[in-house]
Amino acid sequence: DVQLLESGGGLLQPGGSLRLSCAASGFIFSNYAMSWVRQSPGKGLEWVSSISASGGDTYYADSVKGRFTISRDNSKNTLHLQTNSLRVEDTAVYYCAKRGAYTSSPVDHWGQGTLVTVSS
Amino acid sequence: QTVVTQEPSFSVSPGGTVTLTCGLTSGSVSTDYYPTWYQQTPGLPPRTLIYSTDTRSSAVPDRFAGSILGNKAALTITGAQADDECDYYCALYMGGGIWVFGGGTKLTVL
Repeated sequence: DVQLLESGGGLLQPGGSLRLSCAASGFIFSNYAMSWVRQSPGKGLEWVSSISASGGDTYYADSVKGRFTISRDNSKNTLHLQTNSLRVEDTAVYYCAKRGAYTSSPVDHWGQGTLVTVSS
Repeated sequence: QTVVTQEPSFSVSPGGTVTLTCGLTSGSVSTDYYPTWYQQTPGLPPRTLIYSTDTRSSAVPDRFAGSILGNKAALTITGAQADDECDYYCALYMGGGIWVFGGGTKLTVL
């Protein structure tokens, strides 16, 4: 079975940094595009970033461009999201999401999410 | 900036049929946007229901159907059940690796 296990969330002050990770299992990680999707408390889903299967192509929502960096380690079946210059409005549950072969493919599996709280 | 639109809320009677829509503030939704529908019970991760307009994910009952209706993507639920009461999100692919979610529809079954 596909499993996606996020970690790295926490409470931090505005301007801080955090590295989120997603440990993947149950599928050939290097064959699939991956994404991060977030959900602020009581709000809707927001696509944050995607990365191609090889890691060579990355894409970001305008709201995080220049502050967040998505990466993957295909040798360790792990996805990362480096979040810098965090703002209060970045407070959300961050979901790791597996797509199909391409970043244009839909999400077919979701992690349980990790909570990031940015507050002074 | 193009926004993806959804009805904020909808109500359906048990056993009834409801159609939720997903549109654009500018332009029409077509299959080129690979419309995808997600279902979410509060407190849990989303679940993928429909992708590429009308393809059901595994284990999704055929009570759920996706389509294009006019200039919008649509999710039709037939024979609504109590556990269909949750939030439904659509997502559209804008090209260049970019996906945009709609604001979600809160479905009430009563």
